[in-house]
Amino acid sequence: GAGVSQSPSNKVTEKGKDVELRCDPISGHTALYWYRQSLGQGLEFLIYFQGNSAPDKSGLPSDRFSAERTGGSVSTLTIQRTQQEDSAVYLCASSPRLGRDTGELFFGEGSRLTVL
Amino acid sequence: AQSVTQLDSQVPVFEEAPVELRCNYSSSVSVYLFWYVQYPNQGLQLLLKYLSGSTLVKSINGFEAEFNKSQTSFHLRKPSVHISDTAEYFCAVIENSGYSTLTFGKGTMLLVSP
Repeated sequence: GAGVSQSPSNKVTEKGKDVELRCDPISGHTALYWYRQSLGQGLEFLIYFQGNSAPDKSGLPSDRFSAERTGGSVSTLTIQRTQQEDSAVYLCASSPRLGRDTGELFFGEGSRLTVL
Repeated sequence: AQSVTQLDSQVPVFEEAPVELRCNYSSSVSVYLFWYVQYPNQGLQLLLKYLSGSTLVKSINGFEAEFNKSQTSFHLRKPSVHISDTAEYFCAVIENSGYSTLTFGKGTMLLVSP
């Protein structure tokens, strides 16, 4: 399809395991964002990519979280040694941003992570 | 840095009744404002936006929002809701100078019942 694609849609893991979440943005979109959506907490910004570089990693909650983007396209969010508080829906969004962000993002359906 | 407050976590309403979802923001510079909607089991999608010009902006499905700079508000309204409007609505803001990323409120769940 032409939209933002995320996988897996659901992931159940045990505490302490590592997980990888994948995002495939809309073709041609240079900007890519990761947000975390927790019940009652709204959307929490994690990281932003422009091309393959991440000028803003300020939202990553701890050093267990990392993300990379290759080829200006697919991005992977990795959570090491998962904790129960990491349980949330992880949302990816992309935009054709070339300059200043206009705030118009295209979201995927999210990856729901449950840490037991 | 900017912030967004959505005071109501849930708004229950009967079908065909009017509704207002409140949003207030805080920023030291001028901003762009947005409402995003998340229908059940779907991703977020842009509902409407204010970038500049007319302070009253409208969506294709009958929602409207008015930017009020003096009250730092961007409330979302619809004169008559449908069952299909049941969804979570997120207000968002981004500063239009310097570097900024989109900041979301905590969301308001609109529950429309027959």
